[in-house]
Parts: sequence; structure tokens; C-alpha cells
Amino acid sequence: AQSVTQLDSHVSVSEGTPVLLRCNYSSSYSPSLFWYVQHPNKGLQLLLKYTSAATLVKGINGFEAEFKKSETSFHLTKPSAHMSDAAEYFCVVSDNGANNLFFGTGTRLTVIP
Amino acid sequence: ETGVTQTPRHLVMGMTNKKSLKCEQHLGHNAMYWYKQSAKKPLELMFVYNFKEQTENNSVPSRFSPECPNSSHLFLHLHTLQPEDSALYLCASSQPSSAYEQYFGPGTRLTVT
Repeated sequence: AQSVTQLDSHVSVSEGTPVLLRCNYSSSYSPSLFWYVQHPNKGLQLLLKYTSAATLVKGINGFEAEFKKSETSFHLTKPSAHMSDAAEYFCVVSDNGANNLFFGTGTRLTVIP
Repeated sequence: ETGVTQTPRHLVMGMTNKKSLKCEQHLGHNAMYWYKQSAKKPLELMFVYNFKEQTENNSVPSRFSPECPNSSHLFLHLHTLQPEDSALYLCASSQPSSAYEQYFGPGTRLTVT
């Protein structure tokens, strides 16, 4: 069975400081992993994806994530937070057989000016 | 408007009402999805349509009835709902071969009174 655990429901950082959003996964297959972002009153947007190529994945808006099989983790990072990064972030694992997505509960990122 | 649109954006209905949610995608995709997003819970996949055929019904109660007349339009018909059905209902679309890269609409905020 596939699932993801987002370890923090809320993360608060100051503008210009690094961002770390944590995600651990469980999968019976070699997983495909994703991060989606949801800004207020907007739909979810794909931020980045890992599909068994390079373990360090770069996404939009300066975000990146590293797939670590030994730790079953796929943490999302950004070197310097911007006010526009304030949103809800979802870690997602794919059921490679059926192409269904399994979402985490989300982490709300607050950026303090 | 481009991408995935949903109407209405907000809906308040009584438990005896019948209403419908509409989703339209302008991306040329052939797969469409309905999700339920409740507070503090992971996004729940409800229904999947591929080329207008329903391929997934994730044990959704029969008071929710989907309809997909063509690859661009998806409806969710609602009747005799319960207060616990209050949630944000998200529509998404993708190419069937790239189901992990889903494009989401802004959602319909449903309140059942």
C-alpha cells in the first residue's frame, strides 16, 4: 500500500531563511513522488516530481526535493523563502500500477516578513 | 479562462436539495477526476474518468453521482447530502498516460446545512 506522512502540519519561517518541509513515504513499488502546492482559493499545482531518474529534483520557484530511499524520505527545500511561498504543500505518492495519487495531509507554510 | 474551471465556487444547500457541480477543462486532456478535500484529512479521490468512461469509484456513497458527457466536462450531481459532506470539492484533469501530472481547478466550497 502507498501512503505519505507529512511530519509537520504547520511550518513558519522568516523571509529570506531556508525552508524545509518534511515527507516520509511508504510504498510497495519503486515509488513516484511529487510535491503539489495550493495557494489560497486556488487549485493545486504540481511543484516537482521524482520518477526514478535523478534523486535530486528541481521544481518551480526555486524549490527542490531529494529522494532518499534509505530514509524513505522526500523532503522539500528552498534556500530562501519569499512571501509568495506562503501556501499549503502536499507530498504525494503514486500507485504506479493504477496511476492513482495518494496525498499527505498537507503542511501550511507561513512566511514572516 | 484557461486550464480547469469549476462552478459554482461556493454552494450552500440543505439536506433535501439537489444540486450539481460543474468542471470544465481546456487542456485537451482525456482523464478527469473528482476529489474531496476536508480539513485535517488527506485529499480523497472520489471518481476517475478516462475517455468518458468511469474507471474508478472509490467507495463513494450513492448520494454523489458523477457524469462525464465528453472529455472536457465533468459533473457531480448531489442529492440528500449530509452535513459531513461539507468540504472543498476539487476537479482535476490529466492525460491518462501522465496521471501523476494533474491540473486542478480552484474547487467548489460546499456547505450542507
